[in-house]
Amino acid sequence: TQLLEQSPQFLSIQEGENLTVYCNSSSVFSSLQWYRQEPGEGPVLLVTVVTGGEVKKLKRLTFQFGDARKDSSLHITAAQPGDTGLYLCARDTGRRALTFGSGTRLQVQP
Amino acid sequence: DAGVTQSPTHLIKTRGQQVTLRCSPKSGHDTVSWYQQALGQGPQFIFQYYEEEERQRGNFPDRFSGHQFPNYSSELNVNALLLGDSALYLCASSPSGAFEQYFGPGTRLTVT
Repeated sequence: TQLLEQSPQFLSIQEGENLTVYCNSSSVFSSLQWYRQEPGEGPVLLVTVVTGGEVKKLKRLTFQFGDARKDSSLHITAAQPGDTGLYLCARDTGRRALTFGSGTRLQVQP
Repeated sequence: DAGVTQSPTHLIKTRGQQVTLRCSPKSGHDTVSWYQQALGQGPQFIFQYYEEEERQRGNFPDRFSGHQFPNYSSELNVNALLLGDSALYLCASSPSGAFEQYFGPGTRLTVT
């Protein structure tokens, strides 16, 4: 089983702070997806990274795929309470069957 | 355009009972996948349906079964419920050939 390990498991910060969460694997994967899940809702896709070393930006969110394609990070600049949620990374194990990490639960205090 | 819908929202069952959960995919999506999300964990892949057949399956026992109808909607059935089956059950849909999946809000199942 090719596991995805996410860290930290839980993060509580003040509004305006920056943060980085990580997704690591011992195996190379062809692509990686990041999702955000809010309470009572299903995960929502934020981004897909495909190329080693790739960096993608989504407003205040910056996603990076490691050069060796074994790890990825999500950096949030000037966090806001609306960023609160569970951040999940996932890899496609074939024909869109996703394997998820256990997630990082982010709480941004106003 | 409605997104992925699931019913019911919440459900309470007793050990040993059977349950059926329902999912309507996003318009134009023909592939439906089901996931189980235990409290504090990421979702785990149960199985996927395409053209009314189970195309692939995760590491779940035969107590978990499903069905896809000609209109692409899907059901997840769980027999002989165990306490450990308590979880949020998520349905995701995608159009054929596309990479992104769209998730519904889930059904919260509690087994007592």
